[in-house]
Amino acid sequence: EAQVTQNPRYLITVTGKKLTVTCSQNMNHEYMSWYRQDPGLGLRQIYYSMNVEVTDKGDVPEGYKVSRKEKRNFPLILESPSPNQTSLYFCASSPRGDQPQHFGDGTRLSIL
Amino acid sequence: SQQGEEDPQALSIQEGENATMNCSYKTSINNLQWYRQNSGRGLVHLILIRSNEREKHSGRLRVTLDTSKKSSSLLITASRAADTASYFCATDAVYATGANNLFFGTGTRLTVIP
Repeated sequence: EAQVTQNPRYLITVTGKKLTVTCSQNMNHEYMSWYRQDPGLGLRQIYYSMNVEVTDKGDVPEGYKVSRKEKRNFPLILESPSPNQTSLYFCASSPRGDQPQHFGDGTRLSIL
Repeated sequence: SQQGEEDPQALSIQEGENATMNCSYKTSINNLQWYRQNSGRGLVHLILIRSNEREKHSGRLRVTLDTSKKSSSLLITASRAADTASYFCATDAVYATGANNLFFGTGTRLTVIP
């Protein structure tokens, strides 16, 4: 089954404790992206990747890091999480950046 | 910003009625897409319309695009309670490097009352 898998689905943690949210897709897609969703603000892009080893900042990259060492994986790293990063996070993939995207089920992060 | 804006922010209708949502955007596009999100879940792609198309249908969905006004509408006919969800438009952007990306609006929350 074609899917985008995010882990964990839920996480409560404390300020400053590094965390990684994993994202994996099994569709051989070139393009992958991370979004955060906050009430009233819609989806805002954090980082995206057009292909392996190619990543670029989206609208709200501050406080986040990504890497794309293999086509299927695109982890999101919060080196020193802060409470303003409490949000619902989505990973998505598509064959190309302007084509329909497949979304994961989301990761709800709470930073205390 | 390229981000689209949906209107209205929220819409409540009776089952069987039609629902219309609008999206406006700021710069030229190659295509515009509509997505649906059930509460707290991932977005699901509904339909894509290209800039040289004016109207597209998929089941009970009808999408129109007016590039001169930089706007699109999504019509859901004969709505059902199961259509209750948030609906987002997304527009593409092509950079000078040739890279392309999607930008999402803030969404319309549709409630269909049984």
